[in-house]
Amino acid sequence: NAGVTQTPKFQVLKTGQSMTLQCAQDMNHEYMSWYRQDPGMGLRLIHYSVGAGITDQGEVPNGYNVSRSTTEDFPLRLLSAAPSQTSVYFCASSDSYGYTFGSGTRLTVV
Amino acid sequence: GENVEQHPSTLSVQEGDSAVIKCTYSDSASNYFPWYKQELGKRPQLIIDIRSNVGEKKDQRIAVTLNKTAKHFSLHITETQPEDSAVYFCAASPWAPKLSFGAGTTVTVRA
Repeated sequence: NAGVTQTPKFQVLKTGQSMTLQCAQDMNHEYMSWYRQDPGMGLRLIHYSVGAGITDQGEVPNGYNVSRSTTEDFPLRLLSAAPSQTSVYFCASSDSYGYTFGSGTRLTVV
Repeated sequence: GENVEQHPSTLSVQEGDSAVIKCTYSDSASNYFPWYKQELGKRPQLIIDIRSNVGEKKDQRIAVTLNKTAKHFSLHITETQPEDSAVYFCAASPWAPKLSFGAGTTVTVRA
């Protein structure tokens, strides 16, 4: 039981490039979310999903897309990377209220 | 949407003393209030949570209190130890997928 697995752990992108952050959970959780963490700002919700095929926007969705084709996977796509998207990204899953976080992806956009 | 404010932003305590972190929230529909501990370079880890039908919850040296009327909740750590040094986040949620976090409190326990 691996919990929530995120890849990659580190990534450097050039402005304008696109990429996908991967997130997978093996706990059969209904809910999955993506957060970004910036210094002094806590964690902010980007997108979330309440089940396969159902996603919705969070607090800071601009520049990101998500999809949920299976219960296990919830990838986050950066469409055209910008320096403002330099951050640490956490994926989380929950069955009701107890959130389990992945280990994070540190993304730098230059 | 929900707005969570957390104070103080930094807290330095002597080993063995107590630490208190306070949070307020704006959405009266919020009914779930977790606290997370994050060590440097690590993921947030849930340390305690409380739901709106409970006023207080305790787990060993950690306790959380909730005042729904005033829309505030607090984390209390007693007999602090060096391993309690970390960043602590409060959060509030009216619905499981939409967790709103405070900005965090950096706690330093001085030996």
